[in-house]
Amino acid sequence: AQSVAQPEDQVNVAEGNPLTVKCTYSVSGNPYLFWYVQYPNRGLQFLLKYITGDNLVKGSYGFEAEFNKSQTSFHLKKPSALVSDSALYFCAVRDMSNSGYALNFGKGTSLLVTP
Amino acid sequence: GAGVSQSPRYKVAKRGQDVALRCDPISGHVSLFWYQQALGQGPEFLTYFQNEAQLDKSGLPSDRFFAERPEGSVSTLKIQRTQQEDSAVYLCASSHRGSGNTIYFGEGSWLTVV
Repeated sequence: AQSVAQPEDQVNVAEGNPLTVKCTYSVSGNPYLFWYVQYPNRGLQFLLKYITGDNLVKGSYGFEAEFNKSQTSFHLKKPSALVSDSALYFCAVRDMSNSGYALNFGKGTSLLVTP
Repeated sequence: GAGVSQSPRYKVAKRGQDVALRCDPISGHVSLFWYQQALGQGPEFLTYFQNEAQLDKSGLPSDRFFAERPEGSVSTLKIQRTQQEDSAVYLCASSHRGSGNTIYFGEGSWLTVV
């Protein structure tokens, strides 16, 4: 079975400060890991993914994430938050070892960036 | 079009009514997914198609839910005899074949059952 945990329902950050949104995962094999962002009344937009290679992945809008196999984590980070980053963020995992293709999502973390 | 297109965007159905939700994936994408997202929750997997073949329907919550993709392109999710607990956003997504490929989502169909 594969699962994702996002331990924080909400993260509050002041504009210009660094932000971190946490994600841990559980899979039986090696993981494919994804981050998506959802703005109000919109679908999910892809931010970045880790498949293999460099543990530090850079994505859209200045976001990056670091894959940490020993801690089974894939935290999303940004050096300097913008008010426009306020949205709902979802981490998702796919287990490479099984034949299914579906992503398993966390429950989401609401990011609020204040001016 | 450039992205995944879903219709209708909003649907209000009376309890017991049948509904059909349409998804037009990104051109050339072999894989198509349906997800259900309840208010305040993450998306939950419903079903997966590779071309016209429905390879995984393990997430469909009951036999009232049915999905098809007869020509390997457009897909329809049908919900029969809708109930209030079916109220959710239904997200369609598509990707190229291969488990490492990015899955792209549509804007969703918002279903409210009254």
